[in-house]
Amino acid sequence: SQTIHQWPATLVQPVGSPLSLECTVEGTSNPNLYWYRQAAGRGLQLLFYSVGIGQISSEVPQNLSASRPQDRQFILSSKKLLLSDSGFYLCAAWDSESYEQYFGPGTRLTVT
Amino acid sequence: RKEVEQDPGPFNVPEGATVAFNCTYSNSASQSFFWYRQDCRKEPKLLMSVYSSGNEDGRFTAQLNRASQYISLLIRDSKLSDSATYLCVVNGPAGFQKLVFGTGTRLLVSP
Repeated sequence: SQTIHQWPATLVQPVGSPLSLECTVEGTSNPNLYWYRQAAGRGLQLLFYSVGIGQISSEVPQNLSASRPQDRQFILSSKKLLLSDSGFYLCAAWDSESYEQYFGPGTRLTVT
Repeated sequence: RKEVEQDPGPFNVPEGATVAFNCTYSNSASQSFFWYRQDCRKEPKLLMSVYSSGNEDGRFTAQLNRASQYISLLIRDSKLSDSATYLCVVNGPAGFQKLVFGTGTRLLVSP
């Protein structure tokens, strides 16, 4: 199985400020990693996924970027936050042994 | 058309009731199907995978109808602890490792 760590749990940031959310994964090596956002009362929206170090695919045009500097590290960033960036950000990893996607505990971001 | 559609609910049921959720998906090439459970302000967690022949896990039964492209989840003898949002999940067009999540069906079980 995979264990996923995310921090911080909650974050309040002003509009125009930068953002960096980090996710680290314990478990099988070279997992596929994902960033999702869940807006209040909405479904999960896939933002980015990565199949390996330095390999990032973006799902929707937006104000965010992602990087994978190490096999088990996935970072979500923004240079200037918008109000619409508020939401619940979830990091996930695919476990090819159990055929299951595991989620981290999430970061609840409020942009004011 | 959304890739995965669910009735948002909420479904309000008493303890002990049987409740069923349905979900439809648009990509006929989808191969993998799941139900996830999400508690309020928490991350989603896998409840069960859905197999072509249907599968059961205790009080939970999942079924797949490929011809009609829908998936169902049946919960028998509902418990208060079953109150949560249930997410229908399908692998996306790109392959089995890129999942598409429905917006979820909320279940409220009352005493």
